[in-house]
Amino acid sequence: AQKVTQAQTEISVVEKEDVTLDCVYETRDTTYYLFWYKQPPSGELVFLIRRNSFDEQNEISGRYSWNFQKSTSSFNFTITASQVVDSAVYFCALRRSGSARQLTFGSGTQLTVLP
Amino acid sequence: SQTIHQWPATLVQPVGSPLSLECTVEGTSNPNLYWYRQAAGRGLQLLFYSVGIGQISSEVPQNLSASRPQDRQFILSSKKLLLSDSGFYLCAWNTGTGLYEQYFGPGTRLTVT
Repeated sequence: AQKVTQAQTEISVVEKEDVTLDCVYETRDTTYYLFWYKQPPSGELVFLIRRNSFDEQNEISGRYSWNFQKSTSSFNFTITASQVVDSAVYFCALRRSGSARQLTFGSGTQLTVLP
Repeated sequence: SQTIHQWPATLVQPVGSPLSLECTVEGTSNPNLYWYRQAAGRGLQLLFYSVGIGQISSEVPQNLSASRPQDRQFILSSKKLLLSDSGFYLCAWNTGTGLYEQYFGPGTRLTVT
C-alpha cells in the first residue's frame, strides 16, 4: 500500500522567513512519481512540481526548492523569503502504479505567512 | 491549451434531494478523469476515476455514483443526499500517456442542510 505523511498540520511564519514543509512517503514501487500542490483560499489545487524516483537532483524554481531523498523517503519543500501570498494549504502526493494514474495525497500542511 | 470546468460553483441542497455535478475538459482527448471530495477543509479523498467512456472505478463505497457519458464529461450524482455529503468536490484530469500530474478544476462547494 502507498502512503504519504505530512506531519506538520499547521505552520505559521513571519514574512521573509524561510519555511520547509515535510513530506514522507511509502511505496513498494521501484519507479514512482511525487508531486506538490498548492491550494490557496480560493480552493483550486495548483500543480507545483513533479519528481521522478530515478532523478534525485534537487530542484529550484525562484523562491521554491525541493529536496528529494530516496534514502529517507522524503520529498521536502522549502519556500525562501516567504510572502503573504504563499499562505495556502500545501499537499504532497504520490502516484500509484497502473494506467489509471491515481494520486495518493497527504493530509496537507496549512501555511500561514504573517505580515 | 487544456481547460477544465466544473459547475455549479456552489450548491446548497436539502437532505434527501438528488445531486448532479458536472465536469468537462477542453483541449485534450481521452483523458483520465477523477472526482475528489475534500471534507473539513483538508484531506483529499478520491471518490471515482475513469480511464474512458463508460468506464468508472469507485474508490470508496458511498452514497454517490459517477458517469462518463462523453469523452470529456464526468458527472457525479446522488439520488438522495446525506448531511455527510457536504464538502468541496474537485474534478481533475490527466492524459493517459505522457503527463503524470493531474490538473484540477475550480471545485464545487456543496452544503447539505
